[in-house]
Amino acid sequence: EADIYQTPRYLVIGTGKKITLECSQTMGHDKMYWYQQDPGMELHLIHYSYGVNSTEKGDLSSESTVSRIRTEHFPLTLESARPSHTSQYLCASSSTGTGEQYFGPGTRLTVT
Amino acid sequence: SQQGEEDPQALSIQEGENATMNCSYKTSINNLQWYRQNSGRGLVHLILIRSNEREKHSGRLRVTLDTSKKSSSLLITASRAADTASYFCATEIRMDSSYKLIFGSGTRLLVRP
Repeated sequence: EADIYQTPRYLVIGTGKKITLECSQTMGHDKMYWYQQDPGMELHLIHYSYGVNSTEKGDLSSESTVSRIRTEHFPLTLESARPSHTSQYLCASSSTGTGEQYFGPGTRLTVT
Repeated sequence: SQQGEEDPQALSIQEGENATMNCSYKTSINNLQWYRQNSGRGLVHLILIRSNEREKHSGRLRVTLDTSKKSSSLLITASRAADTASYFCATEIRMDSSYKLIFGSGTRLLVRP
C-alpha cells in the first residue's frame, strides 16, 4: 500500500465555488503529479512537479493551479468550479531515477 | 490515446482461465509499465519492463515487450475473481530533458466466479 493520501475522497460542490484538493506523500519522493480521469477512460496529466517550488502544466489544459511549497504536499486548486470540472482527480508521486508511480485513492469531484 | 492503445477494451473470462491484454504504442520508449485500477480507486503499479528487456515475470503476471512491433502484452495466468479490474499500460518516453508517462485507454477485465 502506497503512502500517498488524497482528501477529500468525494466532493459535491456548486458552480463558482473555490476548491482545493489535497495530496500528501510520506515517501520523500521528489516528483509529484496530478491526473484527470473520466469514468472508464485513460488518465490525462494536468500538472507535475519535480521538486519544491517547481511546477509545470501537463498535456491536458486545465484551469486548475498547483503549488509545491513542501516536498510532501502538492495541492490542486480550482478558483471557480464549473460542471465541466466534474471528474476524478488522481495524485501520484515517484522517486527520481525510477519510473514507477505511486497513486493516491483519488478525489471524485462533482460540480453541480 | 496518441501513444498507447489497448486491446481488447473489455474482456470477460471464467475463473481459472488465462487473460491476455495487449498494448501498442507509436514512439520510442524508455520503459513500459502496467497498472491495475479497481473501480473508483487509484492505480497500483504491477510491473515495469525496460526497452532492452523482452520478457518479465511477477507471480501470475507475464509481460512481453516487442520494440520492433512497438507492442506489449500482459498475461494473467489462472485468473481469480479478485483480478477483476481495469488494466492500463503506460509508456515512459523522453520529453526534452525529462521523462513522461503516457497511459493507454485500459482494458476492463471481468473474471466470473
